[in-house]
Amino acid sequence: NAGVMQNPRHLVRRRGQEARLRCSPMKGHSHVYWYRQLPEEGLKFMVYLQKENIIDESGMPKERFSAEFPKEGPSILRIQQVVRGDSAAYFCASSPGLGEKLFFGSGTQLSVL
Amino acid sequence: KNQVEQSPQSLIILEGKNCTLQCNYTVSPFSNLRWYKQDTGRGPVSLTIMTFSENTKSNGRYTATLDADTKQSSLHITASQLSDSASYICVVSSINTNAGKSTFGDGTTLTVKP
Repeated sequence: NAGVMQNPRHLVRRRGQEARLRCSPMKGHSHVYWYRQLPEEGLKFMVYLQKENIIDESGMPKERFSAEFPKEGPSILRIQQVVRGDSAAYFCASSPGLGEKLFFGSGTQLSVL
Repeated sequence: KNQVEQSPQSLIILEGKNCTLQCNYTVSPFSNLRWYKQDTGRGPVSLTIMTFSENTKSNGRYTATLDADTKQSSLHITASQLSDSASYICVVSSINTNAGKSTFGDGTTLTVKP
């Protein structure tokens, strides 16, 4: 049973470009969470999704950021018109149900030049 | 406001020594507390979960304690190994929120030297 898969592991973008981060949850997991981790800081919750639904996006910036978890395929975190401050590690986690243990992916390191 | 404070921020110990990491929280109403280990460049991995009624839980050389009255937890690592070098994150969940939106501490960075 493969773990949570995130790709790419490293993503380099220039200011103003778009970044698309992908997350495939563990098999059987229908709950997906995205977190951002700045250097030397802890993980900060961004968004919680279930298949085809955004359940809680209270941690997501209001502009430029969006997330989806379609019926088929991975969850996508999309950042439009990236700025240098978006440079961070973005982690995805999945769980089989509400309140259950989170399983994290290895993250995508986004660098904005 | 729900908060999780971890101390120390960083710690350096020699291989074979023991250490204790601290976690204080103000999350309420309390549901559970997890300790995660995050290796450099990797995602966190769960070590233990503590619920309200549990005082101590062990996972190999890792032992977590919980005092729900004082809202404190500790993670004790026995006979440290080089592979224990990582960030240890305390995560506290409220019964009012799902596990994914739990409150994360900033972590303690442990370095084990030979």
